[in-house]
Amino acid sequence: SAVISQKPSRDICQRGTSLTIQCQVDSQVTMMFWYRQQPGQSLTLIATANQGSEATYESGFVIDKFPISRPNLTFSTLTVSNMSPEDSSIYLCSVVPGQGRRNEQFFGPGTRLTVL
Amino acid sequence: DAKTTQPPSMDCAEGRAANLPCNHSTISGNEYVYWYRQIHSQGPQYIIHGLKNNETNEMASLIITEDRKSSTLILPHATLRDTAVYYCINGGGTSYGKLTFGQGTILTVHP
Repeated sequence: SAVISQKPSRDICQRGTSLTIQCQVDSQVTMMFWYRQQPGQSLTLIATANQGSEATYESGFVIDKFPISRPNLTFSTLTVSNMSPEDSSIYLCSVVPGQGRRNEQFFGPGTRLTVL
Repeated sequence: DAKTTQPPSMDCAEGRAANLPCNHSTISGNEYVYWYRQIHSQGPQYIIHGLKNNETNEMASLIITEDRKSSTLILPHATLRDTAVYYCINGGGTSYGKLTFGQGTILTVHP
């Protein structure tokens, strides 16, 4: 299985600031995704991180608020911009390893964000 | 919105089989049934998936009805470490890779 790390694991930020979350995988993967899990809620897909091109966002999420980069097949970043307390959530990246395991998705440990 | 329906919570005694049901009456022909679980404060963990045949792996068994409108995840010998939220998800096909999580079933395994 793919081993995924996220940095930071948690952070407390002030309103109006931005935070960039990193997702690193130990092997090349075909697909990478970013999810949000609000307190007490289930996971919601934010976007698909596309290597070398703009991310594909789900309804309700926009690039200006959640810019995403994916410069190669093992790394992606998610930025939460101009944060408000409503952005307090756990942010998780996930990957689909690719050939032979295309129906399995692996999740990182998450980044717990608190906005004051 | 999630396309599956699961009971909000279930209990199971340690060592017994846990049978978690899921209704997915609107599943399309090329969509899979996926099961994931989320142990407290961790990212979700893939358990198993199937299209129309029953499946078994080292973690669990998946029973899919012939009409594909419902399925059951079976943990044959539940342990305390299996206490988690279990998510049944339809996906694949044209929405390959995208997982739409519902509220899941909170499974509590008791000693």
